[in-house]
Amino acid sequence: EIVLTQSPGTLSLSPGERATVSCRASPSLSNNYLAWYQQKPGQAPRLLISAASIRATGIPDRFSGSGSATDFTLTISRLEPEDFAMYYCQQYGSSPFTFGPGTKVDIK
Amino acid sequence: EVQLVESGGGLVQPGRSLRLSCRTSGFSFGTYAMAWVRQAPGKGLEWVGFIRLNSYGGTAECAASVKGRFTISRDDSKRIVYLEMNSLKSEDTALYYCVRPQSPNGDHYYFDYWGQGTLVTVSS
Repeated sequence: EIVLTQSPGTLSLSPGERATVSCRASPSLSNNYLAWYQQKPGQAPRLLISAASIRATGIPDRFSGSGSATDFTLTISRLEPEDFAMYYCQQYGSSPFTFGPGTKVDIK
Repeated sequence: EVQLVESGGGLVQPGRSLRLSCRTSGFSFGTYAMAWVRQAPGKGLEWVGFIRLNSYGGTAECAASVKGRFTISRDDSKRIVYLEMNSLKSEDTALYYCVRPQSPNGDHYYFDYWGQGTLVTVSS
């Protein structure tokens, strides 16, 4: 089973700042099969990124993904008020398809 | 517009069974695998299982935590996917999401559409 860890657990930032969320895979992930999701309270998760760096339809370009093998990053270039939420990574390189524990981005 | 609508959740005693349904619309159901993801109250996301297309045998795989107790099936004529849950435990208490997988190839799934979830509470 591929285990994903995310850091930090909580990120406290102000609107307009840059957010960087890390996701580490162990063991290494093949083919960069990593996705990122955003979840707001009381809502279902929303797909942001697949294949480590491909934005999903309708996702603003302030969201970007990067990384390979064991280290992946979700970056929000300038936080908008609606971006304060939980963020999860998910690997789909092998079953079981595991999720990271999540990173909460909250308002400082 | 893609829509996934779960139903069938509720309060159930430990050891009992429950069947969840997910009615879908807005896409060609028979050409997609389907899957379930759950989220315990205040916790993170956990993949539960997926079912392949009927053209690939319609077979299913489930997470180790539910294997042997949960079964996924599909009815392409009704555009519905089911999650049959047996021998329920308190740790199965969660919001169960029906999700549409996408795959670059084979059984490698991320999830591009999510239902709103149906809550299952296992308690005596």
